[in-house]
Amino acid sequence: SVLTQPPSVSGAPGQGVTISCTGNSSNIGAGFHVHWYQLLPGTAPRLLISANTNRPSGVPDRFSGSKSGTSASLAITGLQAEDEADYHCQSYDSKLSVVVFGGGTKLTVL
Amino acid sequence: QVQLQESGPGLVKPSETLSLTCALSGGSITSYYWSWFRQPPGKGLEWIGYVYYIETTNYNPSFKSRVAISLDPSKNQFSLKLNSVTAADTAVYYCARHGGPYPYTWFDPWGQGTLVTVSS
Repeated sequence: SVLTQPPSVSGAPGQGVTISCTGNSSNIGAGFHVHWYQLLPGTAPRLLISANTNRPSGVPDRFSGSKSGTSASLAITGLQAEDEADYHCQSYDSKLSVVVFGGGTKLTVL
Repeated sequence: QVQLQESGPGLVKPSETLSLTCALSGGSITSYYWSWFRQPPGKGLEWIGYVYYIETTNYNPSFKSRVAISLDPSKNQFSLKLNSVTAADTAVYYCARHGGPYPYTWFDPWGQGTLVTVSS
């Protein structure tokens, strides 16, 4: 994948985790926005964060996004069992002229 | 509330054409940009291309010679055709609506996805 994410993260209920998304000067570093999605098997992917930091209505404020340089992060606080899912970041690459994604990060709530 | 639903054959033979449809309810297909994606088993999401009313399209160069995305306003749906498929095209295929101006766009909502297996 063009964007790099850790394959897995884990945390206990109530704790917090951060998922990183690393790109380069052709995508995140070029100023293109980063968006985050939650994927659960058999369900429609859910938009969690748009345009780096914006949380759509209905998404709990436990989810927050940030961006700096060629990287972005998704932070989840107060982990709940229902947060166990795969999380994917998305941006655009001007060199490749395509929408690009990270490989996804599996969150395990211990 | 806008909802998307993918449909099509779950099994396609190698060298044949994969054809999927994404039906929209709760909104008009003429008002937004619409994209197709896929996720092969154990891999990340991959953008295939988009369509905008009626014939404006843009494709991932990785697929450009094999793919066609079209829009049918009369049925409020859009479609994906991917020809000359191989086992590498086995994936869950998703459709989604663009949420902002391309290329800065995010995607919301999405369909729940449909698994397409390429096998003889």
